[in-house]
Amino acid sequence: SQQGEEDPQALSIQEGENATMNCSYKTSINNLQWYRQNSGRGLVHLILIRSNEREKHSGRLRVTLDTSKKSSSLLITASRAADTASYFCATDEKVASGTYKYIFGTGTRLKVLA
Amino acid sequence: DTGVSQNPRHKITKRGQNVTFRCDPISEHNRLYWYRQTLGQGPEFLTYFQNEAQLEKSRLLSDRFSAERPKGSFSTLEIQRTEQGDSAMYLCASSYIPGTGGYEQYFGPGTRLTVT
Repeated sequence: SQQGEEDPQALSIQEGENATMNCSYKTSINNLQWYRQNSGRGLVHLILIRSNEREKHSGRLRVTLDTSKKSSSLLITASRAADTASYFCATDEKVASGTYKYIFGTGTRLKVLA
Repeated sequence: DTGVSQNPRHKITKRGQNVTFRCDPISEHNRLYWYRQTLGQGPEFLTYFQNEAQLEKSRLLSDRFSAERPKGSFSTLEIQRTEQGDSAMYLCASSYIPGTGGYEQYFGPGTRLTVT
């Protein structure tokens, strides 16, 4: 089952513009992560935000988390052609063993035009 | 290169054959995950290990799938009697729990399985 759902499914912007993508999830979480996947390459971890945090920055990335709305957003500022990739949010879900597994969303496909 | 390696990178097999994939995680990582990804979709959780113990297995995983992590180091994922629906990218990831920085997963390049 998919826990996170990204919106929009696809986004096309010009280089230098900002890109915003959103993630909604269904159950309570301990943390939420964003990953990037370039065409033909593996997934790379971008940023993790804990449930008690509301905003986090890393370079040109800004992530917000609203646990009351069960949603998160990823903002990429001053986008570059190299940011062209699929972006996924991943949320943790408690399992029977008492530990957590991660559920990935369907992803936002970002295309940055030079 | 994240430090997680997977072999083989590509596997073409005929329906009904068995296949085995290997994942070598980052050496100090105690947790290892397997995911499956199809075109246009996000990674779908299959199973994970903490050290050598398999803690969770997806209900989507049929009895044809089995995974092991002997001695808490590398892991293997075996698919028996492959079906065309098994065609996908199989991803392995590792992480260190609790570790500094939390729960980031480091993904390998994946094994692309094509069942003909």
